[in-house]
Amino acid sequence: SQTIHQWPATLVQPVGSPLSLECTVEGTSNPNLYWYRQAAGRGLQLLFYSVGIGQISSEVPQNLSASRPQDRQFILSSKKLLLSDSGFYLCAWSVLGGISTFFGPGTRLTVL
Amino acid sequence: QQQVKQSPQSLIVQKGGIPIINCAYENTAFDYFPWYQQFPGKGPALLIAIRPDVSEKKEGRFTISFNKSAKQFSLHIMDSQPGDSATYFCAASMGNEKLTFGTGTRLTIIP
Repeated sequence: SQTIHQWPATLVQPVGSPLSLECTVEGTSNPNLYWYRQAAGRGLQLLFYSVGIGQISSEVPQNLSASRPQDRQFILSSKKLLLSDSGFYLCAWSVLGGISTFFGPGTRLTVL
Repeated sequence: QQQVKQSPQSLIVQKGGIPIINCAYENTAFDYFPWYQQFPGKGPALLIAIRPDVSEKKEGRFTISFNKSAKQFSLHIMDSQPGDSATYFCAASMGNEKLTFGTGTRLTIIP
């Protein structure tokens, strides 16, 4: 069966510090991978979308970047965090023609 | 702009009642409409999904009603239980990818 891992689960970082969040998927090949952000009490906003290694589409302009160094690994990064980067970050995967999009457990990021 | 509008923002229902959450979409190219359930501090979990070739889909106590002409769909929870208390999100997409989400409904089922 397929599983998706995210780490860390929680993170508190000062403004201006770098960020690296990691996501890995097991049990599937060539998945589409996504990073979503959920602000407090709000819906999910798609940040990045990847259909394959090294292929990243950015959905919104922002202070963040994403990379996909391996087929089932997706990384969210920032060189300098802003207060507005605080939120709940969710990695997700799907396969073309599959049942749905499946989400990981999320990372709670607080920027102080 | 591709949007999905969801209402109400919050909902309180007595145990055994039938909460109804509504969503409306704009993009007629959307052909996949899932609902997700999210508990505090957890990632959203797929609850049920529908495609526009059917008007209703049931899975256990959860039912999606779909009105293609009105571009609306709704979630009904039969015989609601306190354990159903969560935030529910509707979403829409072309295929099953790049979901556009509603803003969520915080549902509370009181005993």
